[in-house]
Amino acid sequence: GENVEQHPSTLSVQEGDSAVIKCTYSDSASNYFPWYKQELGKRPQLIIDIRSNVGEKKDQRIAVTLNKTAKHFSLHITETQPEDSAVYFCAASIGSNAGKSTFGDGTTLTVKP
Amino acid sequence: ETGVTQSPTHLIKTRGQQVTLRCSSQSGHNTVSWYQQALGQGPQFIFQYYREEENGRGNFPPRFSGLQFPNYSSELNVNALELDDSALYLCASSFRLAGQETQYFGPGTRLLVL
Repeated sequence: GENVEQHPSTLSVQEGDSAVIKCTYSDSASNYFPWYKQELGKRPQLIIDIRSNVGEKKDQRIAVTLNKTAKHFSLHITETQPEDSAVYFCAASIGSNAGKSTFGDGTTLTVKP
Repeated sequence: ETGVTQSPTHLIKTRGQQVTLRCSSQSGHNTVSWYQQALGQGPQFIFQYYREEENGRGNFPPRFSGLQFPNYSSELNVNALELDDSALYLCASSFRLAGQETQYFGPGTRLLVL
């Protein structure tokens, strides 16, 4: 089955700096790569996703890049704000079935004011 | 917030008991997935239902079972509860459309097994 590794497990940045979280996956059949933000005690919320026919996608301060050859994808957050502090999860889905996602173990991002 | 709801929000059970968790999908969604999220870990896929049929299962034993109803609401049943079953149980609904599916999570049910 699919295996997703996520690094780093914790990340602390100053407000205004950029943050980068990286994930690798094992199954070349994976085609869908979402990123979720989970605040303490709340549900995971989709913040951005990318499908395998695209190498990069951007939404305001958030961007995701995908390298299918190397089987890795990354989340980039620019101009970080304290409200960006949360746990971020990457995931990979075989085919395009988002509902059968394999998740990484999460990155706890802390943005210091 | 998404239109996915779950009940109850919290539950305490003892080892060996059975539990049923419920999920109401977002309007128009025909697929529901269940995940188990242990403390400090990412969600783990339990199984998925599509149009009332199981459509894939993760590495969970048969004592984890589910149902999807004609209105696309869903249940997760866990028999013979074990201490390690203590976790946040999340359901996520989506609409199956080739190449365009996105899932949305409910708030979860936090289960504690004593």
